Amino acid sequence: QKEVEQDPGPLSVPEGAIVSLNCTYSNSAFQYFMWYRQYSRKGPELLMYTYSSGNKEDGRFTAQVDKSSKYISLFIRDSQPSDSATYLCAMKQSGRRALTFGSGTRLQVQP
Amino acid sequence: DGGITQSPKYLFRKEGQNVTLSCEQNLNHDAMYWYRQDPGQGLRLIYYSQIVNDFQKGDIAEGYSVSREKKESFPLTVTSAQKNPTAFYLCASTSGTGDQPQHFGDGTRLSIL
Repeated sequence: QKEVEQDPGPLSVPEGAIVSLNCTYSNSAFQYFMWYRQYSRKGPELLMYTYSSGNKEDGRFTAQVDKSSKYISLFIRDSQPSDSATYLCAMKQSGRRALTFGSGTRLQVQP
Repeated sequence: DGGITQSPKYLFRKEGQNVTLSCEQNLNHDAMYWYRQDPGQGLRLIYYSQIVNDFQKGDIAEGYSVSREKKESFPLTVTSAQKNPTAFYLCASTSGTGDQPQHFGDGTRLSIL
C-alpha cells in the first residue's frame, strides 16, 4: 500500500464548477501538507501549503486537512479552463527533508 | 527574476553513456533536491543536499550521482548503471530549516536513443 493515495482521474468538469481533489495517507507523522499544480511538460507549481489540521484559503483555492481521518482536500471554486492540469498532493514530517507525493489527479475544465 | 533553471529541456542518452543534467538556482536556498517522475506516478526522491559539499541518497539513488560544489548548483549525473533512465527529472530547492515548501524547476526529459 502506498503511503499517499490519490485518484488519478481524469476528472472532467464544466467551467464554473466547484472541484474537489483529495488525498488519503497512512503515516500519522506527516505534519506539512502541500498542493502543487503541474501543467504538461512543466515543473510543479506550489498552490497551497498548510501545517497540521484546518482550512486555508487563497483566492479560488481552499486547502483542508483532517489529520484524524488522514485526509486532505483541495477545493477550486469557479473553475476555469486554465485550471486544467495535474494536481499533486505532497506531505512531509517535521524536520525531514523528503516530500512524499501522491500520483496526481488530472483535471480537465471544459469551456 | 529568482528561480530554478534546469537544462537542457530534452536530453537523449545512448547505451553505456553517462549524461549530466544541470540545475541552477538564484533564490539563495540552502537545500536542493532531485526527483524523478514517471507517467502516472508521483515524484520520487533521488538525492538531496542541505549544504555545499554534503548530500544524501533518497529512495532511488542507484545509478545516479550528484555533486554540490557551489550553493547555486546541484548537477545530477545519470550513469550507465541506471538501466531504466527514461523519465522526467525535476530539481527543487528550499530555504531555512527544511519545513519550508519546495519550489521546482521546469524539468529535463531524458530519453534513450
